Amino acid sequence: EAAVTQSPRNKVAVTGGKVTLSCNQTNNHNNMYWYRQDTGHGLRLIHYSYGAGSTEKGDIPDGYKASRPSQENFSLILELATPSQTSVYFCASGKGTSAETLYFGSGTRLTVL
Amino acid sequence: QQKVQQSPESLTVSEGAMASLNCTFSDRSSDNFRWYRQHSGKGLEVLVSIFSDGEKEEGSFTAHLNRASLHVFLHIREPQPSDSALYLCAVSGGDSGYNKLTFGKGTVLLVSP
Repeated sequence: EAAVTQSPRNKVAVTGGKVTLSCNQTNNHNNMYWYRQDTGHGLRLIHYSYGAGSTEKGDIPDGYKASRPSQENFSLILELATPSQTSVYFCASGKGTSAETLYFGSGTRLTVL
Repeated sequence: QQKVQQSPESLTVSEGAMASLNCTFSDRSSDNFRWYRQHSGKGLEVLVSIFSDGEKEEGSFTAHLNRASLHVFLHIREPQPSDSALYLCAVSGGDSGYNKLTFGKGTVLLVSP
């Protein structure tokens, strides 16, 4: 099973501050994803990547940037954090085939004050 | 845009009794369906994947897909208290593309001893 590690597990940030959430996967999967999970909305896709150097917008990209510097690492960047970005963020990876299964990290709980 | 709805929102069953969860989707061309489980404060664990009409069994979990009626069900055989969790249906493929999972909001399952 794919190993996906997120850091930090918990983060408290101030409004207007910059926040970087990190994700590392060790199974050489091509695709990586960032989701956020909110009560009443389920999981929603923010950004995803097909490989190193690639980033694509998901369904709710506004206010977020993503960076994929290598096959293993995928970061989510909040340049100017807002309280509405308080959420639990999940990173996932997948092989990049049409039948891919996504493997998720344990999540990062972000609170923006 | 794909819409995925799950019912019921919450379900309580006795240990050992069959639990049945329902998921409906809107895009009939979808061809990737997965059920995930999420224990409180944890990441998502894939339970079963199904790609064609019919049934797919993985341990005590059986997915049943009927694309004509836009339904995919999850049946849990002889659930244990440790199966108490949030169960999420995820759909991809068709017009949305294989790698853009759309999640339902989930069903909270409580298995009482």
